[in-house]
Amino acid sequence: KQEVTQIPAALSVPEGENLVLNCSFTDSAIYNLQWFRQDPGKGLTSLLLIQSSQREQTSGRLNASLDKSSGRSTLYIAASQPGDSATYLCAVRVAGNTPLVFGKGTRLSVIA
Amino acid sequence: EAGVAQSPRYKIIEKRQSVAFWCNPISGHATLYWYQQILGQGPKLLIQFQNNGVVDDSQLPKDRFSAERLKGVDSTLKIQPAKLEDSAVYLCAASLGGDYNEQFFGPGTRLTVL
Repeated sequence: KQEVTQIPAALSVPEGENLVLNCSFTDSAIYNLQWFRQDPGKGLTSLLLIQSSQREQTSGRLNASLDKSSGRSTLYIAASQPGDSATYLCAVRVAGNTPLVFGKGTRLSVIA
Repeated sequence: EAGVAQSPRYKIIEKRQSVAFWCNPISGHATLYWYQQILGQGPKLLIQFQNNGVVDDSQLPKDRFSAERLKGVDSTLKIQPAKLEDSAVYLCAASLGGDYNEQFFGPGTRLTVL
């Protein structure tokens, strides 16, 4: 059974810092991996999708990497801003048209 | 393109009452998912539809939860009767299906059972 773990559970950083959020999964046979952002009381916003054949994806200040063999992904946020404060969720899909398996998320606070 | 729509956004009921949630996915997105997100946890799948057929409902508590997707578009999720532990956010997601299957989520319905 696929399990996804995110470390740390919470993180507080001063504005302007670069930071890394970690995600690990127990079964390396994944189809793709998706990072989401969730603001309090809101739904999930997709940030980046990495297919199993890819090593990384970039969007603006965000960069996500994937190492299937070790069962790990990282989300790198450059030059953090208070507006980045949210919960970040990592999720994997084990096969083509199947549901996502989520981690519990990392709650990020960026202090001005 | 419009996003995934859900209603209501919030609902407060007493235990043993019934409640229903509605989802309208993105046009043309054949695959629809309902997830339950308990506070402090990641979302967990309740049921997956492909068009109007059920693909996976293994995690759905069928003694109290039911869902349907008539005509392969809108979907409703019902709880009858509700329990205290059903308090959660219920998220609807949609994807095109096939090889490119990024999931897009609605804003969710926050249910509080008293």
